[in-house]
Amino acid sequence: EAQVTQNPRYLITVTGKKLTVTCSQNMNHEYMSWYRQDPGLGLRQIYYSMNVEVTDKGDVPEGYKVSRKEKRNFPLILESPSPNQTSLYFCASSFNRGGGYTFGSGTRLTVV
Amino acid sequence: QKEVEQDPGPLSVPEGAIVSLNCTYSNSAFQYFMWYRQYSRKGPELLMYTYSSGNKEDGRFTAQVDKSSKYISLFIRDSQPSDSATYLCAMSVAAGNKLTFGGGTRVLVKP
Repeated sequence: EAQVTQNPRYLITVTGKKLTVTCSQNMNHEYMSWYRQDPGLGLRQIYYSMNVEVTDKGDVPEGYKVSRKEKRNFPLILESPSPNQTSLYFCASSFNRGGGYTFGSGTRLTVV
Repeated sequence: QKEVEQDPGPLSVPEGAIVSLNCTYSNSAFQYFMWYRQYSRKGPELLMYTYSSGNKEDGRFTAQVDKSSKYISLFIRDSQPSDSATYLCAMSVAAGNKLTFGGGTRVLVKP
């Protein structure tokens, strides 16, 4: 089944403790992206990657890091999480030629 | 002002009615237009994908794009309670590029 898989689905952590949210897609998509969804603010792009080793900042990149060493994987790294990063996070992927985006099921992160 | 505007609703309709949703946008460079459906605590699911102006139909769903007015619409015919969800419009300048989302419209279809 074609899908984007995120792990974990739920995570509660403490301020300052480094964490990684994994994202993997099995559709051979070139383009991958991370979004956060907050009430009243909608979906906002954090980082994106056009292909392996090519990443760039989205609208809200502060406090996040990404890497794209393999085409299928695009982990999101929070080196020192803070409470304002409490949010619902989605990974998405797409072919560079278009066709729409496939989203993962989401990771609900709480930073206390 | 947001780049993409969408009425948050909620929009409540009886089962079988036509649901009409729309978004307006300000960036004339947008060329690719999408509609997503999002159920509570789930990821957005792609419903419709269109390029430039025109209409596209897929089953009970019809998407319309009017680039001259910077206005897109989604119509859902014969609505069902299972259509109750939040509907998000999204658009991008180029294929496989950054998406800009509307805030979403919550739809409730009552049996």
